[in-house]
Amino acid sequence: GAGVSQSPSNKVTEKGKDVELRCDPISGHTALYWYRQRLGQGLEFLIYFQGNSAPDKSGLPSDRFSAERTGESVSTLTIQRTQQEDSAVYLCASSRALRTSGRVSTDTQYFGPGTRLTVL
Amino acid sequence: KQEVTQIPAALSVPEGENLVLNCSFTDSAIYNLQWFRQDPGKGLTSLLLIQSSQREQTSGRLNASLDKSSGRSTLYIAASQPGDSATYLCAVRSYSSASKIIFGSGTRLSIRP
Repeated sequence: GAGVSQSPSNKVTEKGKDVELRCDPISGHTALYWYRQRLGQGLEFLIYFQGNSAPDKSGLPSDRFSAERTGESVSTLTIQRTQQEDSAVYLCASSRALRTSGRVSTDTQYFGPGTRLTVL
Repeated sequence: KQEVTQIPAALSVPEGENLVLNCSFTDSAIYNLQWFRQDPGKGLTSLLLIQSSQREQTSGRLNASLDKSSGRSTLYIAASQPGDSATYLCAVRSYSSASKIIFGSGTRLSIRP
């Protein structure tokens, strides 16, 4: 079956431009995550979607960043007025949601190949 | 606030050796812990997921253990091979912020033929 896909794989843009990154999760996965990985650093959580619940946006670094998800399918991460410090690999992951004893936890995350964003 | 630390940051060993990668976390109230590998220029591949009620998980030559009380997990790789060379990341999901998964900064592993 298809894994998580992301597009574009590479994006070069000029400072101040807006960019839109796309993530197609695995079919049936209700949970979707966006992460950022700067060169040589670990992953930073950006945002989490779980079904129809309100997303957890607590990791978004500024109001220039926003993300949307239509139902349980495609998600787009938008960065407005890009800055050079936005240069990074943006990774998307999806997983099933498991309900255990009234709590919702999640299963293994599956990652897409990422979008490498370079802001000149 | 959950913090995840991985030591060492880099490790180089000859092929065939058994090795242990370490992960520690500050908040023991976790849902689960997951180990990933990341190959250069590629996304992450999940290796093992340990739920909070479990002590260990095994897959092939890999064994991951979890000790919540001490805030530690180890990833044991048996009979290492050059193809095991990658960066290994551990990631923790905590009760305090269930939607966030906090990653360690990784251990860059190099297996010398």
